[in-house]
Amino acid sequence: GAVVSQHPSWVICKSGTSVKIECRSLDFQATTMFWYRQFPKQSLMLMATSNEGSKATYEQGVEKDKFLINHASLTLSTLTVTSAHPEDSSFYICSARDLWGAEAEKLFFGSGTQLSVL
Amino acid sequence: LAKTTQPISMDSYEGQEVNITCSHNNIATNDYITWYQQFPSQGPRFIIQGYKTKVTNEVASLFIPADRKSSTLSLPRVSLSDTAVYYCLVGDRFGSGSARQLTFGSGTQLTVLP
Repeated sequence: GAVVSQHPSWVICKSGTSVKIECRSLDFQATTMFWYRQFPKQSLMLMATSNEGSKATYEQGVEKDKFLINHASLTLSTLTVTSAHPEDSSFYICSARDLWGAEAEKLFFGSGTQLSVL
Repeated sequence: LAKTTQPISMDSYEGQEVNITCSHNNIATNDYITWYQQFPSQGPRFIIQGYKTKVTNEVASLFIPADRKSSTLSLPRVSLSDTAVYYCLVGDRFGSGSARQLTFGSGTQLTVLP
């Protein structure tokens, strides 16, 4: 199946700094990627939909100025957590579909990024 | 939104068949039912998708009754490595980008015991 690569797998940062997470579709072009956040023992929460070449669509309650999403190419989307604070500590996961592939009905997920803000 | 309801947790023993049921009373005509598996600190992985009746692949079966208001994921002869959280999602087949297709419910924590 299609592969979605996410980096870094974990990051520790000081409060007030910004952190960038990359999500790449390795063997397909993803016009749309999705970003989720997951707190311990909880389900995935959709944060935003990232569209190549246009502004991301954020879910209600997600601060667009806090979580900057860039989808500059068909294979790369980035999530930047700006001025991170301890409450932003979470597991962030990206996903994408290969709409022109044989498995178009599947969401392919990255391996996730564990962010810890001290 | 087509909300889904699943049991919070289930326990089973190695070698048994496990059935996890998901309720989706407000499923729409063009909605499909998709199941994902998630291990700790990993992204979810697609298991199976269906529209009606029965679908089977190499890892699971999906049973959907005629009214489609529920579905049952069946895992044959589970092993310890099947311990994970299982999510049921409802939405149009290819996910036009609508949040409905991408909304994860609470999931079911399956624990397989030796």
